[in-house]
Amino acid sequence: EVQLVQSGAEVKKPGESLKISCKGSGYRFSSYWIGWVRQRPGKGLEWMGIIYVGDSDTRYSPSFQGQVTFSADKSISTAYLQWSSLKASDTAMYYCARHNCSGGNCYFHSWGQGTLVTVSS
Amino acid sequence: SYELTQPPSVSVSPGQTARITCSGDALPKQYASWYQQKPGQAPVLVIYKDSERPSGIPERFSGSSSGTIVTLTISGVQAEDEADYYCQSADSSGSSPYVFGTGTKVTVL
Repeated sequence: EVQLVQSGAEVKKPGESLKISCKGSGYRFSSYWIGWVRQRPGKGLEWMGIIYVGDSDTRYSPSFQGQVTFSADKSISTAYLQWSSLKASDTAMYYCARHNCSGGNCYFHSWGQGTLVTVSS
Repeated sequence: SYELTQPPSVSVSPGQTARITCSGDALPKQYASWYQQKPGQAPVLVIYKDSERPSGIPERFSGSSSGTIVTLTISGVQAEDEADYYCQSADSSGSSPYVFGTGTKVTVL
């Protein structure tokens, strides 16, 4: 069974750095892309981007380019999302998901449980 | 930036059919997927490649495509289908790899 388990909730102050994680199991982690999705409180889903775990190739949404960094460590089947300087507007639930592509269609097949990030002074 | 537009809400009585639309200029050239999200839970994939259903998703969920509009249909709606639904697709221009729709709240009366 494919499982993605994310790290726990975080409370940070503006300007602080943060790295959250997403650990996969039940499949060959290094052979798939992992995506990140933001959901602000009471709002919709936002596609942040994807990283290919095998070689760390990344694709960012223009809205998130330069604002966050994706990374991965295939030796421990873990992907990461990090910020160097958090803002209050980064307060949101963040989901990781396995990105599948089949016959010209790409989609998020399996999702993590989410990591709630709260940024407040 | 590319946008996928959905109606904010759809209301349906139990046993009836709910139809949720998603419109976008690139949809004639790009496949769409659909996700269900219940309160406090992570999204779940219910349709991919416009009309394919993942294993474990009930047959009452179906998808279709026509021009710039894709549609998620829930036949014989049940109370447990009350949730937010999001479409997702790609931008054929390449400016943004993938985007989600604006989301639709389905209320079962």
